[in-house]
Amino acid sequence: NAGVTQTPKFQVLKTGQSMTLQCAQDMNHEYMSWYRQDPGMGLRLIHYSVGAGITDQGEVPNGYNVSRSTTEDFPLRLLSAAPSQTSVYFCASSPRQGNDGYTFGSGTRLTVV
Amino acid sequence: AQSVTQLDSHVSVSEGTPVLLRCNYSSSYSPSLFWYVQHPNKGLQLLLKYTSAATLVKGINGFEAEFKKSETSFHLTKPSAHMSDAAEYFCVVRGDSSASKIIFGSGTRLSIRP
Repeated sequence: NAGVTQTPKFQVLKTGQSMTLQCAQDMNHEYMSWYRQDPGMGLRLIHYSVGAGITDQGEVPNGYNVSRSTTEDFPLRLLSAAPSQTSVYFCASSPRQGNDGYTFGSGTRLTVV
Repeated sequence: AQSVTQLDSHVSVSEGTPVLLRCNYSSSYSPSLFWYVQHPNKGLQLLLKYTSAATLVKGINGFEAEFKKSETSFHLTKPSAHMSDAAEYFCVVRGDSSASKIIFGSGTRLSIRP
């Protein structure tokens, strides 16, 4: 089925560990974004990309890195995990033009202990 | 710049009564507006969207929303609540049709009383 695939679904990290959250879409969408969801705060934009090779910071980028080497993939890297990064992470994609909303992945629940 | 404010963090209604979830937006452009729903421990699903065609937009599961430019509002309604409507609802603004970012409201949790 076409859509946005996120892996893993659950992850527990120790403080200071690094990891990469994977995101892939098969809809040939130019735009891709990463959000984190925390209670009472909605979804906040971490990083986004308007195409392969182009990324930019969102509202809460500190502690996260991204790259976009292909249209399909947009991994999110935590360089040194902190308890404040405990959250649910969503990846989303959208075509560049058009009035459709974003398509979201099913999320990754990350706990940093 | 754009922003969106959801006026209620929690709404509780009885099954079979109307639902009203309020959303106000701010945008420098003619915005696209969306409502998403998130059921517990699930991802986000698009309920409906406004993209400058009709101001009254119908979505899935009997929900609809009306775009009111003069009031900068995009409130979500449903005539009769069902237990399965219990979820978190997010109002979202996209500045224009090629905008690379969308902005989320803080969400409204809808509870349904039997």
